[in-house]
Amino acid sequence: DIQMTQSPSSLSASVGDRVTITCQASQDIRVYLNWYQHKPGKAPALLITDASHLEGGAPSRFSGSGSGTHFTLTISSLQPEDVATYYCQHYDLFVALTFGGGTKVELQ
Amino acid sequence: QEDLVQSGGGVVQPGRSLRLSCESSGHRFSSYGMHWVRQAPGKGLEWLAVIYYDGSNRHYADSVEGRFTISRDNSKNTVYLQMNSLRVEDTAVYYCARDKIGEVRGMFAMDVWGQGTTVTVSS
Repeated sequence: DIQMTQSPSSLSASVGDRVTITCQASQDIRVYLNWYQHKPGKAPALLITDASHLEGGAPSRFSGSGSGTHFTLTISSLQPEDVATYYCQHYDLFVALTFGGGTKVELQ
Repeated sequence: QEDLVQSGGGVVQPGRSLRLSCESSGHRFSSYGMHWVRQAPGKGLEWLAVIYYDGSNRHYADSVEGRFTISRDNSKNTVYLQMNSLRVEDTAVYYCARDKIGEVRGMFAMDVWGQGTTVTVSS
């Protein structure tokens, strides 16, 4: 089974800071990697698909990159409304979906 | 805009059963695969199951295989999660979600989510 490892598990940053979250796959997953934002008390929201494709409606300050085993989610300028937990998610089209452990982003 | 409205959560004793429902208000429910995902208290998201748009196949996480069953009734725009032999560790908020890609026998990403329903397994 493929394991998805996120780091850090939590971070604290200031408004306007550049924030980077990393997701590591236990084996090559090409670009089969999505990112979600999950705010407390709300349903998760899809942010990025296939490692780098921003979902319609997602702010342009979010971007994703990577392929193979190493992926990153970047928030170019952190805003108060970005406080949330972020999850990477691998898809194996005919087998399963696998989430990373999550990264909690807080304001300093 | 499609909405998914969930029902069926509650408190149940270990070993008992519970069925969750998720009704879509969208006109193309039968074109999309549907998933169930949960979040246990203090834990991250865990994918549980998917059913293809036409009901032709289902896949499960190892943690619920053999205990949980996903099904759908396209005439009622509803997907279900039948949970049997519930354990304390099944306590979580359960979400239904729609697969982003329509009319594909596979799974990709989840772009429309229900509001979540809480299941508490306790004696």
